[in-house]
Amino acid sequence: DIQMTQSPSSLSASVGDRVTITCRASQSISNYLNWYQQKPGKAPNLLIYAASSLQSGVPSRFSGSGSGTDFTLTISSLQPEDFATYYCQQTYSTPTFGQGTKLEIK
Amino acid sequence: QVQLVQSGAEVKKPGASVKVSCKASTYTFTTYTMHWVRQAPGQRLEWMGWINAGNGYTKYSQKFQGRVTITRDTSASTAYMELSSLRSEDTAVYYCARGVIAAGGNFWFDPWGQGALVTVSS
Repeated sequence: DIQMTQSPSSLSASVGDRVTITCRASQSISNYLNWYQQKPGKAPNLLIYAASSLQSGVPSRFSGSGSGTDFTLTISSLQPEDFATYYCQQTYSTPTFGQGTKLEIK
Repeated sequence: QVQLVQSGAEVKKPGASVKVSCKASTYTFTTYTMHWVRQAPGQRLEWMGWINAGNGYTKYSQKFQGRVTITRDTSASTAYMELSSLRSEDTAVYYCARGVIAAGGNFWFDPWGQGALVTVSS
């Protein structure tokens, strides 16, 4: 299976900050990379698909980039509702997820 | 809007089986795939398998091969995931998620069901 590694595993930030989360694949996955947001006790919610496409209804402060093995999720200006855990997922082969990045309020 | 509603929480003894349902609404059930993902406490999301809701084709993670069975009832727009020979390590929240496939073969999960907690305890 393709291993997905996110960094950092946790992050403290303030409202209004610009935040970047990185996801690295153990082999090239082209753009078969998706990002999800999960809040405590809730199901994951799709934010970005195919590395850089914004899911309908997701605020434009979220953006994704990358190809091959290295990808990033950027939140341009953190809002209170953005404090959550973020997961990357590859679907190039048997789907696998990163370990998650917990975004906390500073 | 598109919605997936799962069955409720279950408590099972080691060695038993559990069957979780996932009812889809507001889209044509047979034109999408349905995936199952689990999340053990404090762990990352773990993909278990998927079913083509149209033709019933299934594919399972090697980790669960032989213990998991995914089926569907097209008349009820419902998918099912059954996991057998349960052990304590199977305690987790089990999610269904609709698979959306792009023209090039890329795919993603949207939406997800609300999750069903399965607790395995003697």
